[in-house]
Amino acid sequence: AQSVTQLDSQVPVFEEAPVELRCNYSSSVSVYLFWYVQYPNQGLQLLLKYLSGSTLVKGINGFEAEFNKSQTSFHLRKPSVHISDTAEYFCAVSPYSGAGSYQLTFGKGTKLSVIP
Amino acid sequence: KAGVTQTPRYLIKTRGQQVTLSCSPISGHRSVSWYQQTPGQGLQFLFEYFSETQRNKGNFPGRFSGRQFSNSRSEMNVSTLELGDSALYLCASSLEYGTVTEAFFGQGTRLTVV
Repeated sequence: AQSVTQLDSQVPVFEEAPVELRCNYSSSVSVYLFWYVQYPNQGLQLLLKYLSGSTLVKGINGFEAEFNKSQTSFHLRKPSVHISDTAEYFCAVSPYSGAGSYQLTFGKGTKLSVIP
Repeated sequence: KAGVTQTPRYLIKTRGQQVTLSCSPISGHRSVSWYQQTPGQGLQFLFEYFSETQRNKGNFPGRFSGRQFSNSRSEMNVSTLELGDSALYLCASSLEYGTVTEAFFGQGTRLTVV
């Protein structure tokens, strides 16, 4: 089984400041890692994913994340946030192919509020 | 290319009733998964369908069921509604079974049970 912990439920940050949203996971098998964003009254949009290879992953809207296997972390970063980044962000994992179920296990989410 | 379409977007039902939600996947996608999102429990996996067969099921009571049709459209049904079933129900589609790496989500159906 897998579990995901997002360490901050809410993160306020000033516009044009950098931000880091933290995510740690636990799994008995190797996993794929994802970050999704959800705007109010919307579904989930994939920001980026780590499947294999380089541990630094770049996604849409200027976001990037770094996979750290030893610390079982996958923190999301953006060097300069905009008002439009205000949303809720979800970290998720799914087991590798062959490990059985492919369902996504999500963290509880982090609400990012960008202050003008 | 049209995205994942969920209907209706909003529903209000009374405790004890049943409800059916619909999900039309992206054209060509054959796998559909359902998730429940609540403020308390967050996002939880309900079930996944592929080729009209349920492949995986999450830890939900038997009141929650689903099915998939030959055109890959999926429905989920909740019987004997409880107040705690109030949630945003999200559907995700992917090309094939096990290709969660390429899952796309719909906008969800907001169910309110009164």
